[in-house]
Amino acid sequence: NAGVTQTPKFQVLKTGQSMTLQCAQDMNHNSMYWYRQDPGMGLRLIYYSASEGTTDKGEVPNGYNVSRLNKREFSLRLESAAPSQTSVYFCASGSEQYFGPGTRLTVT
Amino acid sequence: QKEVEQNSGPLSVPEGAIASLNCTYSDRGSQSFFWYRQYSGKSPELIMFIYSNGDKEDGRFTAQLNKASQYVSLLIRDSQPSDSATYLCAVNAISYQLTFGKGTKLSVIP
Repeated sequence: NAGVTQTPKFQVLKTGQSMTLQCAQDMNHNSMYWYRQDPGMGLRLIYYSASEGTTDKGEVPNGYNVSRLNKREFSLRLESAAPSQTSVYFCASGSEQYFGPGTRLTVT
Repeated sequence: QKEVEQNSGPLSVPEGAIASLNCTYSDRGSQSFFWYRQYSGKSPELIMFIYSNGDKEDGRFTAQLNKASQYVSLLIRDSQPSDSATYLCAVNAISYQLTFGKGTKLSVIP
């Protein structure tokens, strides 16, 4: 039982490049979430999926897209990365929100 | 704007003492309240959640909720150096969404 897994753990992008962050959970949770965490800003919700087939914007959705591929998987895509998107990204699942290990993203 | 406020700390307590962490929230309609622990460089880890007014105990941790005063607290008894971390308070004000405070850094001094 791995809980919530995320890939990659680290990533460096150049401005304008695109990438997809992957998240998977094996706890049979309906809801899944993407957060970013920045110093002094705390955790901020980017997008969430209340159940398979639905996605909704959170507090800071601009510059991101998501896909709920199936009940297990929820991906976050950066279409054209910007330095302001340098952050640590966490995926979480379930109403109590169990977090994955995070992806540390740097955009240069 | 739904807000969750925490004292950023650092809060320093000696080993074996009780650490008291506090959190206030703005939305009176909030239903669920959560405490997470986050070690430096790691992801948040759920410690406890509480839904009803009063106290909820789990081992050395006690969560206290007072909806009338809009605060929730976390007490850590017999604090250990391994409890040194940032503690995040989160509140469910909108269905499926949690609003997080910025966290209180706790330092337990041996």
